[in-house]
Amino acid sequence: AQKVTQAQTEISVVEKEDVTLDCVYETRDTTYYLFWYKQPPSGELVFLIRRNSFDEQNEISGRYSWNFQKSTSSFNFTITASQVVDSAVYFCALSEARSGGSYIPTFGRGTSLIVHP
Amino acid sequence: DAGVTQSPTHLIKTRGQQVTLRCSPKSGHDTVSWYQQALGQGPQFIFQYYEEEERQRGNFPDRFSGHQFPNYSSELNVNALLLGDSALYLCASSLRENYGYTFGSGTRLTVV
Repeated sequence: AQKVTQAQTEISVVEKEDVTLDCVYETRDTTYYLFWYKQPPSGELVFLIRRNSFDEQNEISGRYSWNFQKSTSSFNFTITASQVVDSAVYFCALSEARSGGSYIPTFGRGTSLIVHP
Repeated sequence: DAGVTQSPTHLIKTRGQQVTLRCSPKSGHDTVSWYQQALGQGPQFIFQYYEEEERQRGNFPDRFSGHQFPNYSSELNVNALLLGDSALYLCASSLRENYGYTFGSGTRLTVV
């Protein structure tokens, strides 16, 4: 079973539109971490946010905001007033504790966001 | 402050050959993880090295092996290359007790 589901394969918007990227996760752990990464064409995964399972407070960073809801196992990402530079593939990831205590991120398949001028 | 450095950036190999990819972690990081990202897919965890030992391993065959050196840099070796090994290989570094991963730009491996 997929632990992180990003149902939207590709989203296309026009600049200045708001867009929400969905992420649904699956875990039995009570302690876990959720992440969002951005992958531009250069290939490097750029860290955007980390949220632990005990902190359901939503977060806003500039045009970016994240909505974490444990009740629906979702961690959605919204970009307000999108810009062409936001075009990239966005990955949601889940880290659960493994043997030895390490946390290894498991990634979803990603959502490709295309922002047209 | 240099981030994660990977080399080479691109590589073309023939089926059956062996390949070695290299990674230098971000300054101050002591843990290195390797991921394989096939085209159109999310990164898949291969293994993680800490204190020069493989600490965690994903669902990859023994053809995939690695090494971590005393300076925390790491190598990923793949033997008997298959066409399906063609992918972007990403290295990520972290500090053992910190869950923040820093990724490199990856090595694009093409097997022909």
